[in-house]
Amino acid sequence: GAGVSQSPRYKVAKRGQDVALRCDPISGHVSLFWYQQALGQGPEFLTYFQNEAQLDKSGLPSDRFFAERPEGSVSTLKIQRTQQEDSAVYLCASRRPGTLYSEQFFGPGTRLTVL
Amino acid sequence: GQNIDQPTEMTATEGAIVQINCTYQTSGFNGLFWYQQHAGEAPTFLSYNVLDGLEEKGRFSSFLSRSKGYSYLLLKELQMKDSASYLCAVRRHASGGSYIPTFGRGTSLIVHP
Repeated sequence: GAGVSQSPRYKVAKRGQDVALRCDPISGHVSLFWYQQALGQGPEFLTYFQNEAQLDKSGLPSDRFFAERPEGSVSTLKIQRTQQEDSAVYLCASRRPGTLYSEQFFGPGTRLTVL
Repeated sequence: GQNIDQPTEMTATEGAIVQINCTYQTSGFNGLFWYQQHAGEAPTFLSYNVLDGLEEKGRFSSFLSRSKGYSYLLLKELQMKDSASYLCAVRRHASGGSYIPTFGRGTSLIVHP
């Protein structure tokens, strides 16, 4: 595929349930980002990977949020014991190695609804 | 920290020109992006400015003044399909030697006939 893909596109979870969201970046893109976007807001940074290394996780809102990218390609964002405030669209973006600048390419997002 | 401010909503008429402003306060500034996001879709890249001045790309132009912490996106010859949210994002230097964009809340542009 040519773009970033995410699955599932939609997820409904009961409060307290664990969820796992998947991101397949563009082949060759070493940088991968996760964002959380609430309705009517801009994307909020969660975490960033360079290959398999998680270089910045300062945006993760709590220790219930965990992200991994074990082989430097596919990434999974896991949310444990989901709460209603976790309801949002989770966007993944990848970026090729930067030169002067390097834009991010976003996936379509996973819309998470916690009941 | 980061502080990015842009208007919540704007309306304009098809065929007109609209300017969407973005002001920011940040440390470690390393460029500013504009993205377009249609409802229910992923953001798509429009422009990047790292030096002061105007960058023109077809109907869209973006301007940056680093000393004023100010940018604008100019859309000319508006079309109905330009109705979308426009996100201003400031790139900051992060740990690990990379650069991470921080997004504003977006400006919802409504273009009417």
